[in-house]
Amino acid sequence: AQSVTQPDIHITVSEGASLELRCNYSYGATPYLFWYVQSPGQGLQLLLKYFSGDTLVQGIKGFEAEFKRSQSSFNLRKPSVHWSDAAEYFCAVGAREYGNKLVFGAGTILRVKS
Amino acid sequence: EAGVTQSPTHLIKTRGQQATLRCSPISGHTSVYWYQQALGLGLQFLLWYDEGEERNRGNFPPRFSGRQFPNYSSELNVNALELEDSALYLCASSLRQGTYNEQFFGPGTRLTVL
Repeated sequence: AQSVTQPDIHITVSEGASLELRCNYSYGATPYLFWYVQSPGQGLQLLLKYFSGDTLVQGIKGFEAEFKRSQSSFNLRKPSVHWSDAAEYFCAVGAREYGNKLVFGAGTILRVKS
Repeated sequence: EAGVTQSPTHLIKTRGQQATLRCSPISGHTSVYWYQQALGLGLQFLLWYDEGEERNRGNFPPRFSGRQFPNYSSELNVNALELEDSALYLCASSLRQGTYNEQFFGPGTRLTVL
């Protein structure tokens, strides 16, 4: 079965500092990987996705993520964080073999201090 | 292009009542997914509909049901409401072509059961 682990529940970074949010997944084959962001009381916005090909993927709002098969990881990065990036971030894995459902990690709450 | 829309934004019910939540997918999308985001339980997959048929179901009791209409909009029904059904219910839509397609989420319906 699919599973996703986001080991950091909360992360605090200073505005302008770099950011890395960790995500590890468990799945037998090459998964379809996603990062979503959720502001308080809102729905989920897709930041980026990995299906195949280049293991470094670019997303919206200056985010990127790197797929590392050997480490079963899909970490999200941003070189310089803005105060508006404060939100909750979810890593998710999908697979047709599991009926297209997304399995989400528990989320990481990002706080940005000025 | 309009995104996924959900109604109502908020819904307050009492224990034992029934709740009906509605979702309109992005134009051209035939698949609709429902997820529950309950405090402390994270994001959990509920149901997947495509072309009017239920294609996959998460680990939820039968009192959670739904349907998809010919225009691809969808309805989620929760019968015999329990206090623990209080949650944000998110609807997502996707194309159903090719190997896999990303899911785009609506703003959610906040259900409160008193």
